[in-house]
Amino acid sequence: DTGVSQNPRHKITKRGQNVTFRCDPISEHNRLYWYRQTLGQGPEFLTYFQNEAQLEKSRLLSDRFSAERPKGSFSTLEIQRTEQGDSAMYLCASSPPDRSSGNTIYFGEGSWLTVV
Amino acid sequence: QKEVEQNSGPLSVPEGAIASLNCTYSDRGSQSFFWYRQYSGKSPELIMSIYSNGDKEDGRFTAQLNKASQYVSLLIRDSQPSDSATYLCAVNSNTGGFKTIFGAGTRLFVKA
Repeated sequence: DTGVSQNPRHKITKRGQNVTFRCDPISEHNRLYWYRQTLGQGPEFLTYFQNEAQLEKSRLLSDRFSAERPKGSFSTLEIQRTEQGDSAMYLCASSPPDRSSGNTIYFGEGSWLTVV
Repeated sequence: QKEVEQNSGPLSVPEGAIASLNCTYSDRGSQSFFWYRQYSGKSPELIMSIYSNGDKEDGRFTAQLNKASQYVSLLIRDSQPSDSATYLCAVNSNTGGFKTIFGAGTRLFVKA
């Protein structure tokens, strides 16, 4: 088990460009989460999937943000028309189907986005 | 009112002392509680989870939960400089589906 994998780890992009991040969860985990974290703040919930279904989206997730998990395995998070305020670490996490773990989530190493 | 509140710190303790980190939450339906440690520039890593009222010990770490007071704490005994990090409290609520909400974190400095 290699853990949650995210790429790219770092991305610098010009304002107005689109960026896409990919997340591969732990293999047996059916739930996948996206969070955003800025300096001095805790991870901020963006959205989560159970298998391929997107079950919840934060109202903080503007229409420039879209996430997919087409086959219930890996997921992508796309940000269109990036703004400087999008600069943050984007964290992916996954959790197993067994609720006896209390829905413990395990994070990947994160993808750093800098919008210049 | 924030859903999960923590004192941002920094909390400074000498090496070998006990560090006490506190967290309150607003959703009474919350069922699962977690502490994560985050080193600067890294992603959060799970330290402990707790689901029932009382104490849960794991090595130098003890998590305490009081659902009536909506309060969770983490004690770190024999604090080491390597414990210097931000500690994140996280809460999962049945009423919130499988969404886990994080506090802003408490920065801990352990002085050698």
